[in-house]
Amino acid sequence: SQKIEQNSEALNIQEGKTATLTCNYTNYSPAYLQWYRQDPGRGPVFLLLIRENEKEKRKERLKVTFDTTLKQSLFHITASQPADSATYLCAQEGAGNMLTFGGGTRLMVKP
Amino acid sequence: GAGVSQSPSNKVTEKGKDVELRCDPISGHTALYWYRQSLGQGLEFLIYFQGNSAPDKSGLPSDRFSAERTGGSVSTLTIQRTQQEDSAVYLCASSTQTANYGYTFGSGTRLTVV
Repeated sequence: SQKIEQNSEALNIQEGKTATLTCNYTNYSPAYLQWYRQDPGRGPVFLLLIRENEKEKRKERLKVTFDTTLKQSLFHITASQPADSATYLCAQEGAGNMLTFGGGTRLMVKP
Repeated sequence: GAGVSQSPSNKVTEKGKDVELRCDPISGHTALYWYRQSLGQGLEFLIYFQGNSAPDKSGLPSDRFSAERTGGSVSTLTIQRTQQEDSAVYLCASSTQTANYGYTFGSGTRLTVV
């Protein structure tokens, strides 16, 4: 069955630094991975989608990589700001475009 | 509408009662998904719809849970004879058929069974 894992420990970094979050998947190789941001009391918000044939994708200060050999995706936030503090979720697609989500990693950016 | 709307936003119910949760997806989104999120946990898939059909009901935790979608739009998730372990935030999302632009989630219904 599909399994997708994220570091459950919170990541604390200083403002201005680059935050790097890891997502590992097992078994089934997805055609794409998605990243979401979730703030307390809110539903997740879609950030980026990266396909298996794309090594890297960027959107403003965000960068996502997809390594099918390592079965891993990395999510980077450059020049991080306190407003970037949230939980970030990785998700892989399955049958019928149904997404399986990782448990999320909480990011805390300190001023 | 402009976003995915869920109602009620909060529901407190007594153990053993039935509850109905509503999701109004983005107009034109053919796919609709229900997830459950317990406190501090990840998202647990429950069920999804393509149009009015639910090809995969394997995520429903028990036969007390059911869902329907009518007119390719509004969906309701019904939990019968609620139990305390049903307490969670129930999230609904919708997407285009290919989900190339991700899911759009509602803010969820926080269900508390007392």
